[in-house]
Amino acid sequence: EAQVTQNPRYLITVTGKKLTVTCSQNMNHEYMSWYRQDPGLGLRQIYYSMNVEVTDKGDVPEGYKVSRKEKRNFPLILESPSPNQTSLYFCASSLLGRAQEKLFFGSGTQLSVL
Amino acid sequence: DAKTTQPNSMESNEEEPVHLPCNHSTISGTDYIHWYRQLPSQGPEYVIHGLTSNVNNRMASLAIAEDRKSSTLILHRATLRDAAVYYCILRENSGGSNYKLTFGKGTLLTVNP
Repeated sequence: EAQVTQNPRYLITVTGKKLTVTCSQNMNHEYMSWYRQDPGLGLRQIYYSMNVEVTDKGDVPEGYKVSRKEKRNFPLILESPSPNQTSLYFCASSLLGRAQEKLFFGSGTQLSVL
Repeated sequence: DAKTTQPNSMESNEEEPVHLPCNHSTISGTDYIHWYRQLPSQGPEYVIHGLTSNVNNRMASLAIAEDRKSSTLILHRATLRDAAVYYCILRENSGGSNYKLTFGKGTLLTVNP
């Protein structure tokens, strides 16, 4: 089954403790991206990647890092999480990232930073 | 990114058609109109997209105004499972802009039994 898999589904951590949220897709997609969703603000793009070793900032990249060493994986790294990064995070992918392509989303990771 | 405007919420009755409007008056000639929906506790799910002509698929229909400044997502017979937040977004088809994507707040659709 074609899917985007995020782990973990829920994560509670403390301020400053480095964490990684994993994202993997099995569709051989070149384009992957991360979003955060906050009440009243919709989904905002954090980072995106057009291909292996090619990444760029979205609208809200501060406090986040990403890497794209393999086509299927696109982990989101919070090196020093803060409470304002408490949010619902989604990973998405599409074939080449073109405007006429549909995006496939993961089920989300609910992160709480205490 | 060109912006879209949607009503915050709409209500429908089960088995009736639903027309979800979206205004995008600053759309450019090459922007694609996409619709996604987000069911409770799930990630957004693709519904439909189009450029100029009306589009149909198994989930819905997309009616695009002739001047492309507005569009309407049509659910032909709403079911309880269609209760979700529906997002209308524009995807720019130019250079690297198509890689950036912004979702607004969407329309919360309530379906009454």
